[in-house]
Amino acid sequence: DAGVIQSPRHEVTEMGQEVTLRCKPISGHDYLFWYRQTMMRGLELLIYFNNNVPIDDSGMPEDRFSAKMPNASFSTLKIQPSEPRDSAVYFCASSLGGDTDTQYFGPGTRLTVL
Amino acid sequence: GEDVEQSLFLSVREGDSSVINCTYTDSSSTYLYWYKQEPGAGLQLLTYIFSNMDMKQDQRLTVLLNKKDKHLSLRIADTQTGDSAIYFCASKGGSQGNLIFGKGTKLSVKP
Repeated sequence: DAGVIQSPRHEVTEMGQEVTLRCKPISGHDYLFWYRQTMMRGLELLIYFNNNVPIDDSGMPEDRFSAKMPNASFSTLKIQPSEPRDSAVYFCASSLGGDTDTQYFGPGTRLTVL
Repeated sequence: GEDVEQSLFLSVREGDSSVINCTYTDSSSTYLYWYKQEPGAGLQLLTYIFSNMDMKQDQRLTVLLNKKDKHLSLRIADTQTGDSAIYFCASKGGSQGNLIFGKGTKLSVKP
């Protein structure tokens, strides 16, 4: 299996622009997670889905952030409008669920908002 | 709410043993995990332990669990420079499907 795939790997944009991050989970996994990692705050869970349905979005910082999962093999995290404080590495992870809930992480998207 | 805490930094010399500690608050955690993050990469599962176990060993890695004190540790024997990374402790949270991660311990290995 190719693992969790994220695109783009790097994104540089200007303040006010819309940014869309993409994720393809491991085939057959029922859960998908979006995390943000910064030096100041560490690893933060933004939102997670089970069977394409958002379960907990309490970590989404504000209305500028939105996430969708239109089908089992694709999810997007959108920031509109972007701000410099959104600069971070965004990780997508997926898991099969079940007893262990082991999560498998993608390589991340490094976002820089100028 | 549920929380996982770990010290932020650890520095050891090559060849020594490293011990990374973690405490968690959710007494119902059934599984506890150690993840490793190398520079520029995502988190990678190292190992996990079921809560009815006290110890799990996998080559140079030893995980110790003290369920009474809600304390988890990861021991790396004969630490190498390639072990330099951030190590995250995580517990299986109350919400189905979710894991609670600590802030990570940055391990620096000096030659």
